[in-house]
Amino acid sequence: GQNIDQPTEMTATEGAIVQINCTYQTSGFNGLFWYQQHAGEAPTFLSYNVLDGLEEKGRFSSFLSRSKGYSYLLLKELQMKDSASYLCAVRDSNYQLIWGAGTKLIIKP
Amino acid sequence: SAVISQKPSRDICQRGTSLTIQCQVDSQVTMMFWYRQQPGQSLTLIATANQGSEATYESGFVIDKFPISRPNLTFSTLTVSNMSPEDSSIYLCSGGRTESTEAFFGQGTRLTVV
Repeated sequence: GQNIDQPTEMTATEGAIVQINCTYQTSGFNGLFWYQQHAGEAPTFLSYNVLDGLEEKGRFSSFLSRSKGYSYLLLKELQMKDSASYLCAVRDSNYQLIWGAGTKLIIKP
Repeated sequence: SAVISQKPSRDICQRGTSLTIQCQVDSQVTMMFWYRQQPGQSLTLIATANQGSEATYESGFVIDKFPISRPNLTFSTLTVSNMSPEDSSIYLCSGGRTESTEAFFGQGTRLTVV
């Protein structure tokens, strides 16, 4: 079967750095996505990785290792508005997105 | 990217009735999907909406309960039929292009069945 694992919840301090991990087992691979979802809102796109390595976008970076079936989302200089759920999703061989359960990130002052 | 307008944004419905949710995309997209999301949980794919043909449903979802239309590359509807309180959830449509690196979402429909 297809499976994506990420921690259920994480807590971090404003101004700090946090890394959210995601491991996956899917039938085929056509890219890995990270989405941010605030409570009561639709997910919004953060990043996309299809090749191994690090993609940096401002305060957010995402890393992929296809051989290990592993990705992480790195958030720097955390702000209170970063409190949200972060969803990892893999696009499989049928171009469907397989979603993780999401990681709820709590930012404390 | 593209913008998806989804409506209604929320509704409260009586059990036994049906609700149709619409999604309009501002440009042509290859793929359109319908998801359900329970509070605090991730997205569950209901079906892939195929243009001009029957939707492809995931395990646990059937056409009689969730009929889907997709008459063209910019529009799709999902109907939640014969609703029960268990159908209370957020329903999201999503669109994408196979060559694109992004899937974009409608604003979601918060459905409460009483």
